[in-house]
Amino acid sequence: QSALTQPPAVSGSPGQSVTISCTGTSSDVGSYNRVSWYQQPPGTAPKLLIYEVSNRPSGVPDRFSGSKSDNTASLTISGLQAEDEADYYCFSYTSSDTYVFGTGTKVTVL
Amino acid sequence: QVQLVQSGAEVKKPGASVKVSCRASEYTFTAYHMHWVRQAPGQGLEWMGWINPNSGGVNYAERFQGRVTMTRDTSISTAYMELNRLRSDDTAVYFCARDPGRGYSGYNHLYYFDSWGQGTLVTVSS
Repeated sequence: QSALTQPPAVSGSPGQSVTISCTGTSSDVGSYNRVSWYQQPPGTAPKLLIYEVSNRPSGVPDRFSGSKSDNTASLTISGLQAEDEADYYCFSYTSSDTYVFGTGTKVTVL
Repeated sequence: QVQLVQSGAEVKKPGASVKVSCRASEYTFTAYHMHWVRQAPGQGLEWMGWINPNSGGVNYAERFQGRVTMTRDTSISTAYMELNRLRSDDTAVYFCARDPGRGYSGYNHLYYFDSWGQGTLVTVSS
């Protein structure tokens, strides 16, 4: 099972919006709404940001939103803030009854 | 508040085994699947597998089949991940993570993680 493909890095100025793509296949992202996103600041454990493509857990700011089209899921951060600097990973269930992470994206706030 | 507390850092020689623990508290341990994820230095996250703490049933990622064993001790609400025949490229931080789907049927997956352990660094070096 190959990792889902994410851009290595994205950047933006405070207040701008950035979008991170997560491209899989018809055997994972394309088949299920079981895509989640995690934020991982350096040296810490990941934190859940989005589950089931577009749902936010309580406590996650509504600046974070998720969507999906065909085999590609996306995470958008609107109104970028300095505290959003971190690594971001998508995650999906697969038709082989396994799970796969994305390659990860480093978000830099300029 | 769900807590997952992992065991401390380990240093092992190539060919040895390591067993990492993950003690759960503030919820019913047997009602939620526990997953294991690892992260090599400077690299991304990698899913390793899960255990159903109620039945002991497991599901391992293909690349770890034959080398990983996930177990649990329900009396102390603790999950374990043992990795055998360690290689230098097994050097990583290992995390436990809980799937928030509650139930005892074995079909109570929600396919994401709401809580994570703090991570355990395993260093494999001769």
